[in-house]
Amino acid sequence: QAVVTQEPSLTVSPGGTVTLTCGSSTGAVTSGHYPYWFQQKPGQAPRTLIYDTDHKHSWTPARFSGSLLGGKGVLTLSAAQPEDEADYYCLLSYGGVVVFGGGTKLTVL
Amino acid sequence: EVQLVESGGGLAQPGGSLRLSCAASGFTFSDCNMNWVRQAPGKGLEWLSYISGSGDVISYADSVKGRVTISRDNAKNSLFLQMNGLRAEDTAVYYCARGKDSSWFFGWGRGTLVTVSS
Repeated sequence: QAVVTQEPSLTVSPGGTVTLTCGSSTGAVTSGHYPYWFQQKPGQAPRTLIYDTDHKHSWTPARFSGSLLGGKGVLTLSAAQPEDEADYYCLLSYGGVVVFGGGTKLTVL
Repeated sequence: EVQLVESGGGLAQPGGSLRLSCAASGFTFSDCNMNWVRQAPGKGLEWLSYISGSGDVISYADSVKGRVTISRDNAKNSLFLQMNGLRAEDTAVYYCARGKDSSWFFGWGRGTLVTVSS
C-alpha cells in the first residue's frame, strides 16, 4: 500500500500564507490521484475542504486553494486566520483505494 | 437537514465482533457512495472501506481486508461495518462519510468510539 507524506507541523503568522504538501511513495502526485484536503479541529469530525485537486465545496473559505506543484499535491492558505489552526490531512486515490497522509498540525501564531 | 449518525460503538473484547451502523437522513441515500474512516486516539485518519450507492462496488484497505465487511440497506438508509477478530489497535473513533457527485467525502458523521480491551 502506498504511503502518503505530509509535513508533521507548520506555523503561519496571522495574515500570512502557508503551503502544505502531499507526496506519494509511488512517485509524482497527479490529477489522477484526485487529491483531497481535510481540516480537523480538536474534538470535531473532519471537514472536506478540497477534492479532485482544486475543487472547493460551498463551505470552503476562499482563502484555501488546492493545486499540484513539483510532483506533490498542495494546499495553500492565504491570509491565515486564527480559526485556521487545525490538523490538515490530504488523501490520494490509487485506483479504487484511497490513503490518507499522516496529517499536518498547523499553528497560527 | 442532512445527517449521518454513527452507532454501535462501545467496549469490545479482543477477538470479538462489533457491527457499526450509520443512519442517513436528509438526502437520497441510494445515490451516494459511502465510506468508513477511523481515527485512533491522538492519531491520524485511516480510510477503511468504500461502497457504491447500489452496493455493487466495494473496496477495503489492506489493513482491515478479511476482518471487516461493509454493507448497506438502501431501504433503511443505513450503512454498516461488521468488524471481526477485534484487536487493541482497532480502538478508534469510526466515522462514516458520504460522497456526492465526484467527491467521495462530501459529508461526515460525528463518529462512534470503539474500544477494544479486556
